[in-house]
Amino acid sequence: EDKVVQSPLSLVVHEGDTVTLNCSYEVTNFRSLLWYKQEKKAPTFLFMLTSSGIEKKSGRLSSILDKKELFSILNITATQTGDSAIYLCAVEGGNQFYFGTGTSLTVIP
Amino acid sequence: ETGVTQSPTHLIKTRGQQVTLRCSSQSGHNTVSWYQQALGQGPQFIFQYYREEENGRGNFPPRFSGLQFPNYSSELNVNALELDDSALYLCASSPSAGAGYEQYFGPGTRLTVT
Repeated sequence: EDKVVQSPLSLVVHEGDTVTLNCSYEVTNFRSLLWYKQEKKAPTFLFMLTSSGIEKKSGRLSSILDKKELFSILNITATQTGDSAIYLCAVEGGNQFYFGTGTSLTVIP
Repeated sequence: ETGVTQSPTHLIKTRGQQVTLRCSSQSGHNTVSWYQQALGQGPQFIFQYYREEENGRGNFPPRFSGLQFPNYSSELNVNALELDDSALYLCASSPSAGAGYEQYFGPGTRLTVT
């Protein structure tokens, strides 16, 4: 059965901390892995990863994919209260998309 | 450039009824995917439409059906509503189907079935 598992389920940190969110997957016919940030309703796109070992970076956020070990990490450095959200990992396999349940991040001032 | 829009925002229906949800894709996008997100869960893929044809389907029963129109807007129809159908329904559009294309989500329709 195809699945995407995210860990931890929730995380509470202080402003300025660095966090690492994990996403492991078992998906047939892997095509891409995507990270989203969901604050209220619509998830907003962060990264798309298709190749192993190539880090994608956007400001304080970065992500990397390991297709051999079937996982990805999302790093957030110098966290801010505005980073508080649910972070979703999704994997496209064949013509389907599989989402994890998300990691709920709370950043305390 | 107009983003992805969905209507209605909220909807309350009774068990056994039918519902139609609508999605307008972002300008230039020909692919629309629909998702169901229950409270505390990640989105579950329902199906995807690419150039008016169903291009992939998740593990949902046939009472979940869809359409995509020539302007690439889309509808999700759910027949014989059940209480468990209560969820946030999200649509996402992308420039094309397949790997390498980002998906842009709409704000969602909150469906409550009583």
